[in-house]
Amino acid sequence: NAGVTQTPKFQVLKTGQSMTLQCAQDMNHEYMSWYRQDPGMGLRLIHYSVGAGITDQGEVPNGYNVSRSTTEDFPLRLLSAAPSQTSVYFCASKIVATNEKLFFGSGTQLSVL
Amino acid sequence: DAKTTQPPSMDCAEGRAANLPCNHSTISGNEYVYWYRQIHSQGPQYIIHGLKNNETNEMASLIITEDRKSSTLILPHATLRDTAVYYCIVRVGGSLKNRDDKIIFGKGTRLHILP
Repeated sequence: NAGVTQTPKFQVLKTGQSMTLQCAQDMNHEYMSWYRQDPGMGLRLIHYSVGAGITDQGEVPNGYNVSRSTTEDFPLRLLSAAPSQTSVYFCASKIVATNEKLFFGSGTQLSVL
Repeated sequence: DAKTTQPPSMDCAEGRAANLPCNHSTISGNEYVYWYRQIHSQGPQYIIHGLKNNETNEMASLIITEDRKSSTLILPHATLRDTAVYYCIVRVGGSLKNRDDKIIFGKGTRLHILP
């Protein structure tokens, strides 16, 4: 059981480039979400989804797009990367039910030059 | 914004109990208190949660005040491996397809276990 898998683990981009951070889970979790973590800022919610075809904005959605075409995958797209998006990105998932806990991936460290 | 307030950092001697406080004075009646921790640069890990009764599991104990405006996470015998950032969050117990299910973490408490 792989849990939540994030790829790549490390990425360096130039300003203006686009890329997609991948997140996949094999636990049949309806809920998936993306967070970014910057030094001294804790975890901030970017986007989340409560099921296939449904996405919603979190605390810091600007500059990021998401889609949820399958239950398993929740990719995060940066259409035009900016240095302010240099961060560590975490994907998480859980079932949609009472008192369920989040499972996190191991993170993607992104640097935008 | 996070609905909880935690001290930015705390120290605890190895082998002693670590008591991490959390203030959630605006908590609603249907909101649960959850604790997670993040060791170094790993993804956060669930520890425990509760509504109004005290809870205990193999990792920790959770003490919630009677008015539910604050809580304390207790690590009974702290070890060096407990050095981490601890997050206290409050949220409604999930309902099916609840689109307002934003799970906000905040900055947490950085716990240092001293040898």
